[in-house]
Amino acid sequence: RKEVEQDPGPFNVPEGATVAFNCTYSNSASQSFFWYRQDCRKEPKLLMSVYSSGNEDGRFTAQLNRASQYISLLIRDSKLSDSATYLCVVSLMDTGRRALTFGSGTRLQVQP
Amino acid sequence: DADVTQTPRNRITKTGKRIMLECSQTKGHDRMYWYRQDPGLGLQLIYYSFDVKDINKGEISDGYSVSRQAQAKFSLSLESAIPNQTALYFCATSDGDRSTGELFFGEGSRLTVL
Repeated sequence: RKEVEQDPGPFNVPEGATVAFNCTYSNSASQSFFWYRQDCRKEPKLLMSVYSSGNEDGRFTAQLNRASQYISLLIRDSKLSDSATYLCVVSLMDTGRRALTFGSGTRLQVQP
Repeated sequence: DADVTQTPRNRITKTGKRIMLECSQTKGHDRMYWYRQDPGLGLQLIYYSFDVKDINKGEISDGYSVSRQAQAKFSLSLESAIPNQTALYFCATSDGDRSTGELFFGEGSRLTVL
């Protein structure tokens, strides 16, 4: 079983739609969670961290459910520019030496 | 100029050749990483270094070696390249003191082994 699993998609949605992605992780000791965005043939970039209480950044909302070991990303009012692959990332920070573990990504295509 | 620079950006080589991918950064970060990305598999960690004297194997280190020549430089070598090492390789850095978890990636090096 992969440590971090995501639905690869693609999710094809019209402009203005609301879309949600889920991600599950296998290690219950995981402590830090992130969503990265990767445009086609480009490097990944941090979109937002995910906090236990949930957090929002403009049209983007991230939530964490530790009991069920999943993370979600909600995008409201989708824009064409939101088309990208969204990577779920988890980390075991207690050791201080573990690098981040990436999911394989969910591809979003927003259509006019 | 990019904060994390990878060279070469694209390379085509033959099986058995030695290849070096270089990474340099101007962010002043102490932690550096090498990842490879294959379609449908996400990013896999090859090696990472938390300072100049610290080198650690990642998930898929077999067939690779690294050198941390200075705080700002971290190179990845394939001593004898094979076709299944064809992939997109990313170097990344992070600031260990802040430990925010954010990685800063270079633009990637696309390697094709024939």
